[in-house]
Amino acid sequence: QVQLQESGPGLVKPSQTLSLTCTVSGGSISSGGYYWSWIRQHPGKGLEWIGYIYYSGSTYYNPSLKSRVTISVDTSKNQFSLKLSSVTAADTAVYYCARGSVSDIVVDAFDIWGQGTMVTVSS
Amino acid sequence: QSALTQPASVSGSPGQSITISCTGTSSDVGGYNYVSWYQQHPGKAPKLMIYEVSNRPSGVPDRFSGSKSGNTASLTISGLQAEDEADYYCSSYTSSSTWVFGGGTKLTVL
Repeated sequence: QVQLQESGPGLVKPSQTLSLTCTVSGGSISSGGYYWSWIRQHPGKGLEWIGYIYYSGSTYYNPSLKSRVTISVDTSKNQFSLKLSSVTAADTAVYYCARGSVSDIVVDAFDIWGQGTMVTVSS
Repeated sequence: QSALTQPASVSGSPGQSITISCTGTSSDVGGYNYVSWYQQHPGKAPKLMIYEVSNRPSGVPDRFSGSKSGNTASLTISGLQAEDEADYYCSSYTSSSTWVFGGGTKLTVL
């Protein structure tokens, strides 16, 4: 079955760029029918949708993060990535990648999640 | 976009039923049937429990059910079991083509 696995540095310095990659196994990103997503959870807090990307490269971002976020896809490696620039302590969170299943032309839910990776922003 | 409103906590005894509400606006919950619910145990990733307001993915017990009325969606768990103790989050598609989550509800099984 499809599995997702996040990877990347667990510690990022303030003002730098946070970079994470999600590797998809058990299925192809290029097969379509899904949006590949990033969602984060601040310590002890709720979930926050960051954005998602289709295999074609079409992206949607959370307006509150849009100016700092870039999500990209590498179909040859079956991976998608998150870059968040100019980070501060407020970006310290567990970052999840997730698969958004498409109904009609809209994502209707996030049906498969990675285990999450903790990223701390600190000097 | 503002987070959807959920009660901070609910509780119930084994065998009882509980309902968690999720209130949004006509631009999200009230405007679309793309409301989903997620269960999260401590230290674990969220798990999809309900999608499109009331549909259960394969493997989710039929004790879990969802509904919606106006701008408020609800998750009902009947026949509470100890393993249902977890945090629950609602989520909705929005008119801005984005997604918004609720603040989460901690379910305690007494």
